[in-house]
Amino acid sequence: EDQVTQSPEALRLQEGESSSLNCSYTVSGLRGLFWYRQDPGKGPEFLFTLYSAGEEKEKERLKATLTKKESFLHITAPKPEDSATYLCAVRGATNKLIFGTGTLLAVQP
Amino acid sequence: EAGVTQSPTHLIKTRGQQATLRCSPISGHTSVYWYQQALGLGLQFLLWYDEGEERNRGNFPPRFSGRQFPNYSSELNVNALELEDSALYLCASSLVQDHEQYFGPGTRLTVT
Repeated sequence: EDQVTQSPEALRLQEGESSSLNCSYTVSGLRGLFWYRQDPGKGPEFLFTLYSAGEEKEKERLKATLTKKESFLHITAPKPEDSATYLCAVRGATNKLIFGTGTLLAVQP
Repeated sequence: EAGVTQSPTHLIKTRGQQATLRCSPISGHTSVYWYQQALGLGLQFLLWYDEGEERNRGNFPPRFSGRQFPNYSSELNVNALELEDSALYLCASSLVQDHEQYFGPGTRLTVT
């Protein structure tokens, strides 16, 4: 069964304090790993898609990397506006998108 | 470019009633997906429509159903509402099935 586990559940950082969020997955026939950002009461906002181990994508202060078993979302010098829940999802052979429960990030000024 | 839109924003129903939620995908997108996000839980896949056909469904009872119209907009129907159906219902669309999905703002359904 396809499964996604995200850690930590919650993370509090000071502004400028870099860190990483983890997404561990098991999936039969990976057809994509996706990162989303979700603000309270809103729909998830698409960030990145990764398809194969070794692939990396960057956007502003965010960088996503992928191995055969996990993905990391690195946040460099975060700002308060980066505070949100970050969701990881995988698509496997079933073609369903399976989401983790997310990491709630709080960046304090 | 307009994003995915959903209506209504909020919906309050009584247990046993029926709820209808609507979604308009991004222009040019043919695939529409429905998800349930209950408090404290992750997004759970409900249904996937493409070219007017139901392509896949998640582990939800048959009282969750929907359809996709010729203009690719979609409707989610929930019959015989139960208290545990209270959740944020999210619609997403994609250009083709293997591409990233873009989400709407959601419909908050409250069952009392």
